Amino acid sequence: AQSVAQPEDQVNVAEGNPLTVKCTYSVSGNPYLFWYVQYPNRGLQFLLKYITGDNLVKGSYGFEAEFNKSQTSFHLKKPSALVSDSALYFCAVIYGQNFVFGPGTRLSVLP
Amino acid sequence: EADIYQTPRYLVIGTGKKITLECSQTMGHDKMYWYQQDPGMELHLIHYSYGVNSTEKGDLSSESTVSRIRTEHFPLTLESARPSHTSQYLCASRTTVSSYNEQFFGPGTRLTVL
Repeated sequence: AQSVAQPEDQVNVAEGNPLTVKCTYSVSGNPYLFWYVQYPNRGLQFLLKYITGDNLVKGSYGFEAEFNKSQTSFHLKKPSALVSDSALYFCAVIYGQNFVFGPGTRLSVLP
Repeated sequence: EADIYQTPRYLVIGTGKKITLECSQTMGHDKMYWYQQDPGMELHLIHYSYGVNSTEKGDLSSESTVSRIRTEHFPLTLESARPSHTSQYLCASRTTVSSYNEQFFGPGTRLTVL
């Protein structure tokens, strides 16, 4: 079965420090991987996706993600965190015509 | 911002009432989805549609029903609301011109059933 894990419920980081939000996946075949962000009382916003090619994918708001096939991971990163990055982050993979989402990781960036 | 709209944004209603949550998108997307999400928690797929007159139940059993009479419109109906239906409902859509297009989400409807 296809699945996505986000091993950390909560990530805390100081403003200006680099951040990493972890994601691992289990899929058959080539994975199509996504990251979304959700701010309070809003829907999910697309950040970036990996389809094929370069393992480092750049997305919106300065975020990037690194695909690692051997570790079946797709970690989200940002070199310098902002307080406004505080939100809920979801990793997802396409399974058939639908998406399988991870449980989410709450990121808190402390001033 | 994606062109996908949900109304109402907030709804407080009494037990036993019939409600319809509206979702519309202006992008011409063939696939549409409804998710249920308790605040700050994971998403659960409750319904999806691959096109007009196509609807399927998702992974999470739901007492709601959906219809897809027009491409742009995918309303969700609860015939008799109960407190257990209190949650946030997110609508999404995507095109499958390619196999790996992302989903676009609406802003959500936060439903409270008293």
